[in-house]
Amino acid sequence: KQEVTQIPAALSVPEGENLVLNCSFTDSAIYNLQWFRQDPGKGLTSLLLIQSSQREQTSGRLNASLDKSSGRSTLYIAASQPGDSATYLCAVTGPGGGADGLTFGKGTHLIIQP
Amino acid sequence: EAQVTQNPRYLITVTGKKLTVTCSQNMNHEYMSWYRQDPGLGLRQIYYSMNVEVTDKGDVPEGYKVSRKEKRNFPLILESPSPNQTSLYFCASSSRAVYSGANVLTFGAGSRLTVL
Repeated sequence: KQEVTQIPAALSVPEGENLVLNCSFTDSAIYNLQWFRQDPGKGLTSLLLIQSSQREQTSGRLNASLDKSSGRSTLYIAASQPGDSATYLCAVTGPGGGADGLTFGKGTHLIIQP
Repeated sequence: EAQVTQNPRYLITVTGKKLTVTCSQNMNHEYMSWYRQDPGLGLRQIYYSMNVEVTDKGDVPEGYKVSRKEKRNFPLILESPSPNQTSLYFCASSSRAVYSGANVLTFGAGSRLTVL
């Protein structure tokens, strides 16, 4: 059964730093991987989706990479801002996933200090 | 605006009093799903639906029911709520089955339920 792990569980960095969030998965047979952002008490917002045939996706200051063979994805945030403070979750879709193929990590809680 | 709408957003109820959390999407999505989110446990799927009249159990379906009579609506029913169903609930939808490589999940804003 697919397992998704996000390390660290929490991270606090000063404003302006570049940072990397990690996501690892145990079954490399995935169809895609998504990164989401969740603000406190709010729903999840999709940030980036990487299909299994892709290596990376970029949106503004965000860059997500995917290495299927090693079961890893990273979310790179450039020039972090206090508004980036949120919980970031990754989710993979594949035959080893949950009931409908989706498996979520538990997230990294990110705090950007002004 | 394309969105998934959940109601109510907040609810406090008592054990055994039936309740329904509604979910509606305006994007003509085939796929809809319910999750609950609990501290330390992350997101866990309750039920999902690939299309109208097609529903399947997720990882934690006990104590819940769903129906999909129309494409846009996917209500979550708690027939006899218990305190262990106190949680933050999310509805999500996607334009096609999640096995498609390019699908993107759209989430509702969440419904915080407290069962006393």
